[in-house]
Amino acid sequence: EPEVTQTPSHQVTQMGQEVILRCVPISNHLYFYWYRQILGQKVEFLVSFYNNEISEKSEIFDDQFSVERPDGSNFTLKIRSTKLEDSAMYFCASSEDRGRGNFGPGTRLTVT
Amino acid sequence: GDSVTQMEGPVTLSEEAFLTINCTYTATGYPSLFWYVQYPGEGLQLLLKATKADDKGSNKGFEATYRKETTSFHLEKGSVQVSDSAVYFCALPYTYSGAGSYQLTFGKGTKLSVIP
Repeated sequence: EPEVTQTPSHQVTQMGQEVILRCVPISNHLYFYWYRQILGQKVEFLVSFYNNEISEKSEIFDDQFSVERPDGSNFTLKIRSTKLEDSAMYFCASSEDRGRGNFGPGTRLTVT
Repeated sequence: GDSVTQMEGPVTLSEEAFLTINCTYTATGYPSLFWYVQYPGEGLQLLLKATKADDKGSNKGFEATYRKETTSFHLEKGSVQVSDSAVYFCALPYTYSGAGSYQLTFGKGTKLSVIP
């Protein structure tokens, strides 16, 4: 069964540095998402992407975040200048239609 | 806005005990409802879903019935196993704009520990 994959599984970075989290969605899916989960807290929606543009974004997704689908298979989340509070597990998801979503295993981001 | 409220844990049960995790929702209309599971150190997996009122989703011995009259989607399992130890999330899709993608809003999660 096809799966969403994410790399790296764990990223450690210093405050103020840029990070790029990578995802390979399921190939025939049309909607792509990023969520995050701060340790011990609920999973929160960041952004959705459809037809090569952002479809919706939450208030968390401010100017320091951006997403891209650079080559038709990868889907990336960039954080321009990381803060301590960006430390979280970041999940990528994709879906054929609206809602639901197949989730990747996550990237644990640690900002020191 | 649309949201789910989930019974908070942690919940600790002995093997073969009966499990109920409560979930109620607030939504405009009648959205699909989902339960996701997160095993230790892993990502989120869809456990089951229901797409309309009175639907029962089921998988791996877990069941949940979409009840419109009580706006609930409680997760149940008749006999839990140690391998069911995980965090369980109730979720429903929503949209800010009404025309965009439908992303998921999650409950806070219920941690289940099953002891032998």
